[in-house]
Amino acid sequence: GESVGLHLPTLSVQEGDNSIINCAYSNSASDYFIWYKQESGKGPQFIIDIRSNMDKRQGQRVTVLLNKTVKHLSLQIAATQPGDSAVYFCAELFNQAGTALIFGKGTTLSVSS
Amino acid sequence: DAGVIQSPRHEVTEMGQEVTLRCKPISGHNSLFWYRQTMMRGLELLIYFNNNVPIDDSGMPEDRFSAKMPNASFSTLKIQPSEPRDSAVYFCASSFRQGHGYTFGSGTRLTVV
Repeated sequence: GESVGLHLPTLSVQEGDNSIINCAYSNSASDYFIWYKQESGKGPQFIIDIRSNMDKRQGQRVTVLLNKTVKHLSLQIAATQPGDSAVYFCAELFNQAGTALIFGKGTTLSVSS
Repeated sequence: DAGVIQSPRHEVTEMGQEVTLRCKPISGHNSLFWYRQTMMRGLELLIYFNNNVPIDDSGMPEDRFSAKMPNASFSTLKIQPSEPRDSAVYFCASSFRQGHGYTFGSGTRLTVV
């Protein structure tokens, strides 16, 4: 997802549904990507990562897809639960000395039961 | 491991005062990062250290901001003098090495009145 101004994109889903959160990254040279989850009042928490030599990686209930052609990253959450409600950030890195993770603006996921 | 430890959790100060934020990274992590989070600008990288040496401080807003890492287990971010526009949540993160995910602390919420 992409944000304009003050408003973060919001995704509202029902408990049990699958969620897909999208991210457009900026640097075509980026070769390492991470999804973070941030709950209210807490720091960002690592969810899953993927390197540019892969186009898909699966974790527990989460899958990250990478499309380098269009510089697009997505996070799929299966069987979304109320505890998944948070702001989700994608982050990119051009993995060479002297660089650090650059974060996107974030997407708010709201799960209703 | 206790994770990345930041102090204080909350800081309210008057404009013009000096503010010092503290961070203890995870033992064995050799990279440390300071980020600032606001609604307007999201998560911005301020500065990062590798093996206690500042690598990139291009994100530091101006000369009022300074950061130090005197040893592998401690870093400070200082703002002097503070201004209301510095109000934000400041996060510290550490990483085992380049190209690996970051672990974030719980942040310091700074309010300058």
